[in-house]
Amino acid sequence: GESVGLHLPTLSVQEGDNSIINCAYSNSASDYFIWYKQESGKGPQFIIDIRSNMDKRQGQRVTVLLNKTVKHLSLQIAATQPGDSAVYFCAENRSGTYKYIFGTGTRLKVLA
Amino acid sequence: GAVVSQHPSRVICKSGTSVKIECRSLDFQATTMFWYRQFPKQSLMLMATSNEGSKATYEQGVEKDKFLINHASLTLSTLTVTSAHPEDSSFYICSAEKGQSQAGELFFGEGSRLTVL
Repeated sequence: GESVGLHLPTLSVQEGDNSIINCAYSNSASDYFIWYKQESGKGPQFIIDIRSNMDKRQGQRVTVLLNKTVKHLSLQIAATQPGDSAVYFCAENRSGTYKYIFGTGTRLKVLA
Repeated sequence: GAVVSQHPSRVICKSGTSVKIECRSLDFQATTMFWYRQFPKQSLMLMATSNEGSKATYEQGVEKDKFLINHASLTLSTLTVTSAHPEDSSFYICSAEKGQSQAGELFFGEGSRLTVL
């Protein structure tokens, strides 16, 4: 099976601060990207998505930025809250397929 | 949003037995479902893509005779871990897509934690 990376890096953020989680994707042919949040023992939850014809997309408290030149995706969370503590994964979809590949993941810890 | 239900959420079995995990899309028809495996503190690893009415497509390194996938209807896919061994212990997660003209959001089940004794 395909997977990117083995061990989860951790980002610690003070409550109320903004968080930025980064993801490098692998295939320049990928044209659809999703950020997921996964809490311990649960399945991933959709946060926000973006297609390759966009550079930025905003949701409620979250913003996704896409840089196709360097194949980089980021998730910005404004005013981070304790409930945001989880593991965050980016997923890329390769154009013409229904196959999604997940990134390494980042554990976000929100400090009170 | 769409709901994907996975059952059982936890299962403990003896080595050598087979275990079946069900994945159901409750309020939409899923022409394509995916099965992932996740080890502790690691990312989701795609095991196979399950298409309704046809054979599953397995990722490289995933034994198709070990992990039997059946997608008999537009709302149900099953993963059977045959002759389970302790190394098969893992968190198995399914996801489903609504089958739109282009790729869209994946809806995930809550996962099934398999422990093989």
